[in-house]
Amino acid sequence: DAGVTQSPTHLIKTRGQQVTLRCSPKSGHDTVSWYQQALGQGPQFIFQYYEEEERQRGNFPDRFSGHQFPNYSSELNVNALLLGDSALYLCASRTGVNSPLHFGNGTRLTVT
Amino acid sequence: GENVEQHPSTLSVQEGDSAVIKCTYSDSASNYFPWYKQELGKGPQLIIDIRSNVGEKKDQRIAVTLNKTAKHFSLHITETQPEDSAVYFCAATNSNSGYALNFGKGTSLLVTP
Repeated sequence: DAGVTQSPTHLIKTRGQQVTLRCSPKSGHDTVSWYQQALGQGPQFIFQYYEEEERQRGNFPDRFSGHQFPNYSSELNVNALLLGDSALYLCASRTGVNSPLHFGNGTRLTVT
Repeated sequence: GENVEQHPSTLSVQEGDSAVIKCTYSDSASNYFPWYKQELGKGPQLIIDIRSNVGEKKDQRIAVTLNKTAKHFSLHITETQPEDSAVYFCAATNSNSGYALNFGKGTSLLVTP
């Protein structure tokens, strides 16, 4: 049974560019969340998707957007990249909102 | 919003000793408290969680305690092994936020043989 899978594992972009990160949730999970983890810090909540809609959002600018597809997979898009966007981006999934959250291994984004 | 503080930031113990990591939270509405272990190059892995209707939960060498009045919860690892070395994160959340997790800053645990 595959867990949460994310692609790509590493990515290097230039300031001002746009990036799309992808996530497939754990089998049986229908709710997907995205977190940003800066080096040496705890993950910070970006947003959560359920039934293809953004249900909750953390304190992140509109440059961060997402999408959930009918098969529950999800994308995270970041526009106009800043150097400060360099981080590990974690996707997590669960069944409904009140169940344990399971994380993928993340996408390491470096903005130069 | 919720603020979770975690201590210590680093912890070094000898193999076989116990390790304790403590967290405090600010939002009295928080009712779900998971703990995650993150190894180098990997995502956080859920190791144990506790809900506010329970004061203590144990799973083999790992236990978590919750004091709702004081708004703090702790992770206890007994008989530590070198493979327990990792960064541990506590988190707190509730239904008001759709159970979005608010994480502490992490504790880097080193278990020396």
